[in-house]
Amino acid sequence: KAGVTQTPRYLIKTRGQQVTLSCSPISGHRSVSWYQQTPGQGLQFLFEYFSETQRNKGNFPGRFSGRQFSNSRSEMNVSTLELGDSALYLCASSLAWGQGVGSEQYFGPGTRLTVT
Amino acid sequence: LAKTTQPISMDSYEGQEVNITCSHNNIATNDYITWYQQFPSQGPRFIIQGYKTKVTNEVASLFIPADRKSSTLSLPRVSLSDTAVYYCLVGTSNTGKLIFGQGTTLQVKP
Repeated sequence: KAGVTQTPRYLIKTRGQQVTLSCSPISGHRSVSWYQQTPGQGLQFLFEYFSETQRNKGNFPGRFSGRQFSNSRSEMNVSTLELGDSALYLCASSLAWGQGVGSEQYFGPGTRLTVT
Repeated sequence: LAKTTQPISMDSYEGQEVNITCSHNNIATNDYITWYQQFPSQGPRFIIQGYKTKVTNEVASLFIPADRKSSTLSLPRVSLSDTAVYYCLVGTSNTGKLIFGQGTTLQVKP
């Protein structure tokens, strides 16, 4: 079974621009979560989608948004990029949402975003 | 929100058992505890998940005391390939406020 795929793997953007990242979950997984990873802040939860609905959201500004499609694929958008948005953005999929049985997450390799 | 605290780093030798403890004093009733392993340039990989007492799978054991304010990941007989960063995740099934610890860098020496 294919794993979680993320595109693109690397991205360089200029401050003020916007960016869209894509995530394809494992076949059959309906929950997709997004995380931001930086050396200073570690792994931080952005949001989680299940059946095209945002179920949970972390403490990030409204510039960070996402959506999920009927085939469970998900996109994350960051508008008005800031230098501090440079990070590894990780997508994870699971059978169920939240935590508990069936919620173990399978992570993709991430998208490395650099904002200059 | 349940804030988690882990040791920043640990050293071990091949063949030894390694125990990594995560402190989560404000864990909520519905929170589960999950551990992940991350290698450089890769996404985290699920190791084990538990709610209370002890959970064991083919790669690790998870010990959770009755008060659930901490948890210990136990890796039996580590090898060089276990050198990685280990994260403790405490989450709420309803609110989804998922809090990762800062990670423990485990260095396994020959």
